Amino acid sequence: DGGITQSPKYLFRKEGQNVTLSCEQNLNHDAMYWYRQDPGQGLRLIYYSQIVNDFQKGDIAEGYSVSREKKESFPLTVTSAQKNPTAFYLCAGAENSNQPQHFGDGTRLSIL
Amino acid sequence: QQQVKQSPQSLIVQKGGISIINCAYENTAFDYFPWYQQFPGKGPALLIAIRPDVSEKKEGRFTISFNKSAKQFSLHIMDSQPGDSATYFCAARRTGSARQLTFGSGTQLTVLP
Repeated sequence: DGGITQSPKYLFRKEGQNVTLSCEQNLNHDAMYWYRQDPGQGLRLIYYSQIVNDFQKGDIAEGYSVSREKKESFPLTVTSAQKNPTAFYLCAGAENSNQPQHFGDGTRLSIL
Repeated sequence: QQQVKQSPQSLIVQKGGISIINCAYENTAFDYFPWYQQFPGKGPALLIAIRPDVSEKKEGRFTISFNKSAKQFSLHIMDSQPGDSATYFCAARRTGSARQLTFGSGTQLTVLP
């Protein structure tokens, strides 16, 4: 099946630990995005990448890091510097930045 | 700073009724306005989108109305069905090389049977 695949669906980590969320796509999309969703709020952009080996900070990048070593993969690391990491994280991809974004089904991160 | 304001926060409609969700934007540097539908535990799915040179776009039961001078756009769902019960997000895409989306805060729609 083609699409944006996020794993795991649920993730629990102890406070102070770094955690990495996976996002894989087999749609040959150049552009990929990470968003954070909190209850009652819209999606907020964390990081985005328009091409392999390049990425840019979004509106709320503090406490997060990404890499884009392969076109298919855009993992997000939530570091211990992120003050309030508990949230629903969504990855999206687009053929390029001018095309519509399509989302994966998200990872819900809970910090214990 | 929220540049796209969405209302209402929640909406309850009877089956067969019309659901209307409104958005207003504050920055004129947007060139594409999509609407997304999200079911619990799922990612948002693109529903319908419009460009600012068009005042209305219709796809099936879903219509976007766009008022460029007022910087407002709205989603109308005709003949609303219980299966339409979901959270709806409007968004606006920024101009420039990054083309980032700015989202509204979402509207939780419940269609009663």
